Amino acid sequence: EAQVTQNPRYLITVTGKKLTVTCSQNMNHEYMSWYRQDPGLGLRQIYYSMNVEVTDKGDVPEGYKVSRKEKRNFPLILESPSPNQTSLYFCASSPLPTGAGGYTFGSGTRLTVV
Amino acid sequence: AQSVTQLDSQVPVFEEAPVELRCNYSSSVSVYLFWYVQYPNQGLQLLLKYLSGSTLVESINGFEAEFNKSQTSFHLRKPSVHISDTAEYFCAARMNTGFQKLVFGTGTRLLVSP
Repeated sequence: EAQVTQNPRYLITVTGKKLTVTCSQNMNHEYMSWYRQDPGLGLRQIYYSMNVEVTDKGDVPEGYKVSRKEKRNFPLILESPSPNQTSLYFCASSPLPTGAGGYTFGSGTRLTVV
Repeated sequence: AQSVTQLDSQVPVFEEAPVELRCNYSSSVSVYLFWYVQYPNQGLQLLLKYLSGSTLVESINGFEAEFNKSQTSFHLRKPSVHISDTAEYFCAARMNTGFQKLVFGTGTRLLVSP
């Protein structure tokens, strides 16, 4: 089954403790992206990647890092999480080059930073 | 720069009543348009999309959306809603030149009550 897999689904952590949220897709998509979803703000893009070793900032990159060492994986790293990073996070992927397709989304990771 | 506006943050409706969720976009070039649905505790799923051709597009579960270029709108409609349609609905746009990222609206929560 074609899918984007995120782990973990739920995570509670303390301020300053480094964490990684994993994202993996099995569709051989070139493009991958991370979003955060907050009430009233919709989805805001954090980082995206057009291919292996090619990453770029989205609209709200502060406090986050990403890497793209393999085509299928695109982990999101919070080096020193803070309470304002409490949010629902989604990973998404899409084939290139195309503007005609939408994205395939993971099931989400609900992060709470206390 | 393109933007997507969903003016209604929440739309309450009774079961079997019709519903319209509004979406307006702003772009200097032609766009592809999408509606995504997010059921409680789930990720986003593509509901329907407009790429070209017929301005009326339909989903398998009875929703339809009409692309109106003059009004820059892509409103989502259903003639008779079910309790199971309770979800958050996101409108999104993507420029149709090369590869461009999806830009999302802030979402509309559809609440269907008996």
